[in-house]
Amino acid sequence: QAVLTQPSSLSASPGASASLTCTLRSGINVGTSTIYWYQQKPGSPPQYLLRYKSDSDKQQGSGVPSRFSGSKDASANAGILLISGLQSEDEADYYCMIWHSSAVVFGGGTKLTVL
Amino acid sequence: EVQLVESGGGLVQPGGSLRLSCAASGFTFSDYSMSWVRQPPGKGLEWISYIRGSSSTIYYADSVKGRFTISRDNTKNSLFLEMNSLRAEDTAVYYCAKEGGFDNWGQGTLVTVSS
Repeated sequence: QAVLTQPSSLSASPGASASLTCTLRSGINVGTSTIYWYQQKPGSPPQYLLRYKSDSDKQQGSGVPSRFSGSKDASANAGILLISGLQSEDEADYYCMIWHSSAVVFGGGTKLTVL
Repeated sequence: EVQLVESGGGLVQPGGSLRLSCAASGFTFSDYSMSWVRQPPGKGLEWISYIRGSSSTIYYADSVKGRFTISRDNTKNSLFLEMNSLRAEDTAVYYCAKEGGFDNWGQGTLVTVSS
């Protein structure tokens, strides 16, 4: 079982909200984990969006709009990236990441299509 | 403005070696940890290695342990990745990234391992 599991694709309409999930492997507690999120557009390096551990311990990336936000679903053991007011420019690959056992683990990425 | 510029990529035969460099500017380099992350063509992100600002702590992914060596020269604001015993599966774009949360990334340098 992969450490971090992301759905491979997600589609949503302009103006709507999209909820991207990052499920942690059983045995890794999302409650104590800091989840990092990155956006990558074709031909460009990843860009840091935000990190989220709790509502009192979170950080927005420099210049990242507030319509990108993080949260957790403890019942699903998952981190969530919520994008509200979807725009065509949000179409991209999104990756989650955690530090686990002195190593970095990335999720497989979610391709978000805005149509 | 933070800038990270990778160099040193290219075509190398299986079993060969290559040394990547990452030139940093716009921040106090020695105060920050750095990492290498790679991305095979058309695939997701894979973390390779991490080094603390003082070089006191270094981590590697299992996939490169014993073959790759990370280092840094804080007097020259530079990060390095020495890659030996290269394999076809090491073919990827290699990025350097700043800090434990990868809040800044370079544009990447392509390494192709092929005969």
